[in-house]
Amino acid sequence: GAGVSQSPRYKVAKRGQDVALRCDPISGHVSLFWYQQALGQGPEFLTYFQNEAQLDKSGLPSDRFFAERPEGSVSTLKIQRTQQEDSAVYLCASSLAARAYNEQFFGPGTRLTVL
Amino acid sequence: KQEVTQIPAALSVPEGENLVLNCSFTDSAIYNLQWFRQDPGKGLTSLLLIQSSQREQTSGRLNASLDKSSGRSTLYIAASQPGDSATYLCRGSQGNLIFGKGTKLSVKP
Repeated sequence: GAGVSQSPRYKVAKRGQDVALRCDPISGHVSLFWYQQALGQGPEFLTYFQNEAQLDKSGLPSDRFFAERPEGSVSTLKIQRTQQEDSAVYLCASSLAARAYNEQFFGPGTRLTVL
Repeated sequence: KQEVTQIPAALSVPEGENLVLNCSFTDSAIYNLQWFRQDPGKGLTSLLLIQSSQREQTSGRLNASLDKSSGRSTLYIAASQPGDSATYLCRGSQGNLIFGKGTKLSVKP
């Protein structure tokens, strides 16, 4: 079956604009994760969903970041009033069961550039 | 707070060499440890997942071990090939999910 997909693959935003990044997890996967990866760094955890419930948002860097997964499948990460430090690759991952007790499968990421 | 460290940060070897990548973590109470590779501009590809009750996993030329008591995991790559060139990341799973910064591997033909 299809893997994790993300759209758009690339996004350029002017500082102050709002952006929305989409993640389609593997069908049937319970867990969905968002990560932020700066250049030359490992991914940093942002938030975790189990089905439609957002169980952990401890990694969201500010209240400008908001994520949702209303029907327990597709998820959207929204960043309001983007700033240059938000420039990074945003990775989405899904896992069959709760948390990451099973393998995580990653999408290709969305590269966000804030000018 | 769990911290994950990968050594070396970068590694360049000639084709055919066997090599070891290291991952160390500060809190031994992890549920599992997963190794990934990441090609430039791409997402992460899962290589091996070791549950906390396991000591090692093997897939083809790759072997990963986990020693919780010493807080270390190693990824062994046998007979390296240019196609192995990528950044290799390890991720610990505990209450939180923590990645190392990766080891950038270059295998020269």
